Amino acid sequence: RKEVEQDPGPFNVPEGATVAFNCTYSNSASQSFFWYRQDCRKEPKLLMSVYSSGNEDGRFTAQLNRASQYISLLIRDSKLSDSATYLCVVNMDSNYQLIWGAGTKLIIKP
Amino acid sequence: DAGITQSPRHKVTETGTPVTLRCHQTENHRYMYWYRQDPGHGLRLIHYSYGVKDTDKGEVSDGYSVSRSKTEDFLLTLESATSSQTSVYFCAIGQGASTYEQYFGPGTRLTVT
Repeated sequence: RKEVEQDPGPFNVPEGATVAFNCTYSNSASQSFFWYRQDCRKEPKLLMSVYSSGNEDGRFTAQLNRASQYISLLIRDSKLSDSATYLCVVNMDSNYQLIWGAGTKLIIKP
Repeated sequence: DAGITQSPRHKVTETGTPVTLRCHQTENHRYMYWYRQDPGHGLRLIHYSYGVKDTDKGEVSDGYSVSRSKTEDFLLTLESATSSQTSVYFCAIGQGASTYEQYFGPGTRLTVT
């Protein structure tokens, strides 16, 4: 079993819709969680950290479910510019190493 | 954007040749990382550094070595390149000190023929 698993998609979503995707992780000791965004042929960029109580940044909401060991990302009122691959990232518990999911590809259609 | 550059940005090399990739940061961050990214895989850690001359292996370190003689520079060397090392290589930096956030350079696209 992979340590961090994501549905690869692609998710094809009309502009303006709400889309959500999950990511499961295997290490119950993990403490830090992130969503990164990666545009085609570009480097990953930090989208948001995921806090225990859940957090929101504009149209983006991240949730953590420790009991079921998954994190989620919700995008409301999706824009064409949201088209990208979204990477789920979880820490290992030492030396600031991160474990990366393979990503979920999102395509927003006009 | 974090001040991270990578060189070269693209390289084609032949099997068996040594290759060195350079990562340079202007942020004075303690931690630096080398990853490779391949289709169907998440980013996989090759080596990382937690200070000048302090380095350690990551998940896929075989065939790679690193050096960090200055805070700002982290070099990745493929001792004898193989076709399986064709990949996109990303350098990242992190502050450490209780934060796991990492920031990436633009990547190096390496093809080994």
